[in-house]
Amino acid sequence: ETGVTQTPRHLVMGMTNKKSLKCEQHLGHNAMYWYKQSAKKPLELMFVYNFKEQTENNSVPSRFSPECPNSSHLFLHLHTLQPEDSALYLCASSQEGTSSEQFFGPGTRLTVL
Amino acid sequence: GENVEQHPSTLSVQEGDSAVIKCTYSDSASNYFPWYKQELGKRPQLIIDIRSNVGEKKDQRIAVTLNKTAKHFSLHITETQPEDSAVYFCAPTDSWGKLQFGAGTQVVVTP
Repeated sequence: ETGVTQTPRHLVMGMTNKKSLKCEQHLGHNAMYWYKQSAKKPLELMFVYNFKEQTENNSVPSRFSPECPNSSHLFLHLHTLQPEDSALYLCASSQEGTSSEQFFGPGTRLTVL
Repeated sequence: GENVEQHPSTLSVQEGDSAVIKCTYSDSASNYFPWYKQELGKRPQLIIDIRSNVGEKKDQRIAVTLNKTAKHFSLHITETQPEDSAVYFCAPTDSWGKLQFGAGTQVVVTP
């Protein structure tokens, strides 16, 4: 719909697994973001990349590791997660940094057993 | 950092009535004020935004008003319809591009 896609849409993993979430934007934007959305909590900004450079890391635990190989792709590598990390992970992109509209992907629903 | 408060947390309105959601922020450097709508099971989408040099903006049944002195901005929905039922988020953004989402307001429009 909005030019931002995420895979997989659903993911179930154990606490010892390693998995990766992928985000791709087809809008020609130069900034990409990872958000965590839990039940009854606001959207939590995790990471920001501007022109492939990480410009923000909001005190996210090291078990979450982002990677931005180019301005169109963003990954979130997951390892040794905890059950409390179960949430909807949303990717977004925007032009001109964050002082403009953010276009969200459909999200990955993550369940950690 | 930015302290964002959104009120009310839930809002139930009769179809055809108006709904108002208020967002207060603490960072005087904020200069971009968007509102996002997230329907159940869907992604957040921008519905209206305003920049600091404007006091009000309207788009059909939706409007946003900004009071920079008091550091708050509000979303106004008139003639509410069932499809307006969703969670609405504010996300004040500063001049460096730093933003924080409000906790969200669950709006329920009853026929």
